[in-house]
Amino acid sequence: DADVTQTPRNRITKTGKRIMLECSQTKGHDRMYWYRQDPGLGLRLIYYSFDVKDINKGEISDGYSVSRQAQAKFSLSLESAIPNQTALYFCATSDVGLAGAGGEQFFGPGTRLTVL
Amino acid sequence: AQSVTQLGSHVSVSEGALVLLRCNYSSSVPPYLFWYVQYPNQGLQLLLKYTTGATLVKGINGFEAEFKKSETSFHLTKPSAHMSDAAEYFCAVSERNTDKLIFGTGTRLQVFP
Repeated sequence: DADVTQTPRNRITKTGKRIMLECSQTKGHDRMYWYRQDPGLGLRLIYYSFDVKDINKGEISDGYSVSRQAQAKFSLSLESAIPNQTALYFCATSDVGLAGAGGEQFFGPGTRLTVL
Repeated sequence: AQSVTQLGSHVSVSEGALVLLRCNYSSSVPPYLFWYVQYPNQGLQLLLKYTTGATLVKGINGFEAEFKKSETSFHLTKPSAHMSDAAEYFCAVSERNTDKLIFGTGTRLQVFP
C-alpha cells in the first residue's frame, strides 16, 4: 500500500468552482507539504505544516488554503479556481525527527488538475 | 535566499553512455542537497542526498553525485545509461534548520537505444 496517497488523481473543473485536494499518509510523519509542478518551473511550495496546529505559507500561497485535519491528513483547497491553477499538485511528508538533518521528503503520486 | 540552477532542461544520451546532469546552488551556508527522480505519471523519489561527511554520495540505480563546495555544484552522474533511466530529474536544496526544499526546474533525460 502507498504511504502517501492523494485524491483525486485527476480532476477537471471550471473557473470559479471550489476544489479540494486531499492527502493522507500512513508514515506517521508530523510534517506535510503541498507543492505544484508546472512544466519548466519545477516544484514550488504552496503551504506546509509542521504539526496539526502549525500551518505556514510557502512560496506561492495566494489563491490557496489548507486544512490539517489530523496528523495523517492535509487538504489543499482552491476557493475559486482559475485557469492558471492548472498544474500537477503533489503532497509530501517528512519526519520531524530528521529535521535539520537533511530529512527526506516522501511524495504522493500527484493530482493533475485542469481548470477550464 | 537559496536557489538551485539546473543547466539543460533536456539531456539525451545513448544507452550505455555516461549520464551527467548539472546542478549548481546558491546558499550562504553549506546546505543539504538532494536529487529526486520522477518517472512518467509518478511522484518524486529520492535518488541520493548530501548532508555531511563524504562529498561523493552514492544513490540508487547506480547514480552518484559529488558535492563541490568551491564550485557550489552537486552534479549527478551515472557511468552507463539504461533505457529505464529515462525520467525527469530534480536537484533540490534545503536549509539546515528546516525541511523546506527549494527545487531546480528539472532536467528531462532521454535515453536512445
